[in-house]
Amino acid sequence: QKEVEQNSGPLSVPEGAIASLNCTYSDRVSQSFFWYRQYSGKSPELIMSIYSNGDKEDGRFTAQLNKASQYVSLLIRDSQPSDSATYLCAVNSSGYTGANSKLTFGKGITLSVRP
Amino acid sequence: EAQVTQNPRYLITVTGKKLTVTCSQNMNHEYMSWYRQDPGLGLRQIYYSMNVEVTDKGDVPEGYKVSRKEKRNFPLILESPSPNQTSLYFCASSSESGSSYEQYFGPGTRLTVT
Repeated sequence: QKEVEQNSGPLSVPEGAIASLNCTYSDRVSQSFFWYRQYSGKSPELIMSIYSNGDKEDGRFTAQLNKASQYVSLLIRDSQPSDSATYLCAVNSSGYTGANSKLTFGKGITLSVRP
Repeated sequence: EAQVTQNPRYLITVTGKKLTVTCSQNMNHEYMSWYRQDPGLGLRQIYYSMNVEVTDKGDVPEGYKVSRKEKRNFPLILESPSPNQTSLYFCASSSESGSSYEQYFGPGTRLTVT
């Protein structure tokens, strides 16, 4: 059973702080990794994708991937109250970089940013 | 506007009464999937389709059927719904072309089976 684990939450940070979200996965052949944000009552929306080891930055968001250790993380700098949501880690376990016919999601972690 | 639509958005039904949740996308995507989301269990894939007439089971396919007769549509069928199928359901689509493999999610269908 391919598993994606996210650190238990909820996570609460003050406004302006860095929020660090972590995710580990069990299937070594996984090639594509994604972070989705889901506001309460809404559908998930993609905020970051990463395919190679290292860091990928997009605005206040940085995704970090370490395939040898099988973990992927998301850093949110200068956290804002509008970042308060559930963050889902997703892994493409099809074994190749490509479309996500077989995505496995973590259970998600709820982030709360205190004004 | 690129989008995935689902209907109905909310549905309350009784045990055993067959129902269909429709899903349609206008992005010419090859891949489509159905997920259910339950508290404490996260998003779990029910079925997915890689193209017309090509479908495969996800992690929790029991009690569900799908069909992909047209590229844009991927309906989810519950032949005999049971209360344990009460959940929030999402349809999603994605393409293998280009540099992004983002899955676009529909707005969700909240199903209650009594």
